[in-house]
Amino acid sequence: AQSVSQHNHHVILSEAASLELGCNYSYGGTVNLFWYVQYPGQHLQLLLKYFSGDPLVKGIKGFEAEFIKSKFSFNLRKPSVQWSDTAEYFCAVNPDNYGQNFVFGPGTRLSVLP
Amino acid sequence: DTGVSQNPRHKITKRGQNVTFRCDPISEHNRLYWYRQTLGQGPEFLTYFQNEAQLEKSRLLSDRFSAERPKGSFSTLEIQRTEQGDSAMYLCASSLGTPGQLEQYFGPGTRLTVT
Repeated sequence: AQSVSQHNHHVILSEAASLELGCNYSYGGTVNLFWYVQYPGQHLQLLLKYFSGDPLVKGIKGFEAEFIKSKFSFNLRKPSVQWSDTAEYFCAVNPDNYGQNFVFGPGTRLSVLP
Repeated sequence: DTGVSQNPRHKITKRGQNVTFRCDPISEHNRLYWYRQTLGQGPEFLTYFQNEAQLEKSRLLSDRFSAERPKGSFSTLEIQRTEQGDSAMYLCASSLGTPGQLEQYFGPGTRLTVT
């Protein structure tokens, strides 16, 4: 079945550690890709997006993501996490032939220990 | 605040009752979406409007669910004869939808508990 998967359900890191959260999708063809973050008690916020062009995209708060078409992946990275990055992270895919439908992954909960 | 707003934020209802939720999108956005999110899962697409036209509906949207966007501004989502399985967070999002501006902006959600 066509889907979006995120490798880790819960990631625990210490402050200053590097972060990489995996996202894979199973749609062929052109896709638009997004990472959203949900801080505790807050609504979903856009971290970054990829439509075309440079496969390495930079977002807010020092996050970046790399689109690797051959691997159907869009992994999120941050070189040094902070306690304030504790949140749930969702990868979302908009296949180009899916109209306006976003398909979200199940999310990865990140806990950063001070 | 110029973001997406949703009301109510929480709703507790008894099984079999009808409930209605409201979403006010960002004012210049002509596209509006409804999603459902359960614990431990990402949001699941329910339906989408462009202006007042409902253009897509998920198979998740049973005939007990209906959504409207009468004047292309705010939208309502109604659930009739609620069931315990309807308990979830109902999210609304809006977007410009123009090329390069497809990202969706989400509201805080309405948490529904069916007892």
